[in-house]
Amino acid sequence: EIVMTQSPAILSVSPGERATLSCRASHSVTNKLAWYQQRPGQAPRLLIYGASTRATGIPARFSGSGSGTEFTLTISSLQSEDFAVYYCQQYSNWPPWTFGQGTKVEIK
Amino acid sequence: QVQLVESGGGVVQPGRSLRLSCAASGFTLSNYGIHWVRQAPGKGLEWVAVISFDGSIKFFADSVKGRFTISRDNSKNTLSLQMNSLRTEDTAVYYCAKFETGTAPFDIWGRGTMVTVSS
Repeated sequence: EIVMTQSPAILSVSPGERATLSCRASHSVTNKLAWYQQRPGQAPRLLIYGASTRATGIPARFSGSGSGTEFTLTISSLQSEDFAVYYCQQYSNWPPWTFGQGTKVEIK
Repeated sequence: QVQLVESGGGVVQPGRSLRLSCAASGFTLSNYGIHWVRQAPGKGLEWVAVISFDGSIKFFADSVKGRFTISRDNSKNTLSLQMNSLRTEDTAVYYCAKFETGTAPFDIWGRGTMVTVSS
């Protein structure tokens, strides 16, 4: 099973600032890495797949990078609606499909 | 509008059973594989099970193997997660999510249905 580890657990950021979230896989997942956003009381939403491709309708301020075992999600200028929990997920080696434990982006 | 809707959640005693359903609108459910993912209160996401578009391939998380089954009837446009021998640790919001064929992310998620296992 591939273990996904996200850091930090909580990220405090002011509106308009940049947020950088990290995700590490225990083994290479090549570029089969997705990022999901979950706002309070809502279902997860696909943001990024293939490590760096934005899903349909996702604003350009969201960008993903990395390959192999190290990945980054960057939000260039945080908007109020971006304060949420973000999960990375690998879909390279399955089953099981595995998620990181999440990074909560909160208002500083 | 492309969406998934889960139903069937509720409160059930330990050891009992519950059947969840996943319905689609805005697209043809029979063309896609479906995952079930759960989220315990205040916790992260845990993959539970998957069924391929034609029902020929199924996988389960170790935590539910032997207790949960997944099925679909494409002629009736239905998809279900049968949960037996429920435990308190199965308490969670259960989401269904679709994916394209092959190795793919979970691109559309339902809003979830709450399952509470308690005596």
